[in-house]
Amino acid sequence: GAVVSQHPSWVICKSGTSVKIECRSLDFQATTMFWYRQFPKQSLMLMATSNEGSKATYEQGVEKDKFLINHASLTLSTLTVTSAHPEDSSFYICSAISSSSYNSPLHFGNGTRLTVT
Amino acid sequence: QQPVQSPQAVILREGEDAVINCSSSKALYSVHWYRQKHGEAPVFLMILLKGGEQKGHEKISASFNEKKQQSSLYLTASQLSYSGTYFCGTESGNEKLTFGTGTRLTIIP
Repeated sequence: GAVVSQHPSWVICKSGTSVKIECRSLDFQATTMFWYRQFPKQSLMLMATSNEGSKATYEQGVEKDKFLINHASLTLSTLTVTSAHPEDSSFYICSAISSSSYNSPLHFGNGTRLTVT
Repeated sequence: QQPVQSPQAVILREGEDAVINCSSSKALYSVHWYRQKHGEAPVFLMILLKGGEQKGHEKISASFNEKKQQSSLYLTASQLSYSGTYFCGTESGNEKLTFGTGTRLTIIP
């Protein structure tokens, strides 16, 4: 149980274009989904927290107009990287929980490797 | 604030033991441990919630100190499959998990 599906696994796009990444909880309802970014050989850095039906909460330094997050249902959250630039190239990982995070493990998607040329 | 892990990297021979530490500057509600293989998502290992708690599964165990500011992950009789980067994740009351700096573990035959 507790499967999170993330698509696509990888994407290559040209600078200036937008890319959408989907994160779905397949067998549970995710009250909260988290979006992380990971650069090579670095830790996972939280970008934003999204709750179904409400606006996402962004971490300091993350541009909300550049990284659009939509959590339209209890099983789907999307991250759209708008006007992508080479410095946005990274590994993006979503995770989901069904209750308060401090006593529940995060269930991760398999990640999306974004390369902006 | 990001928890600090030590060591940053360690190389072991198969069968040897390892300890990975995770330290926070303030008391925590919980600490999680995850293992990440290259190019893959992190995989959950365990959560500790109570000060003084120790728990484990097979040859991987962890502890959480009484002050709830430090946790250690213990890998005994390491196997090749244990290779990867280990992250602690800490939660301090804001329902967000902050991941540590990571420890890269390499097991050689």
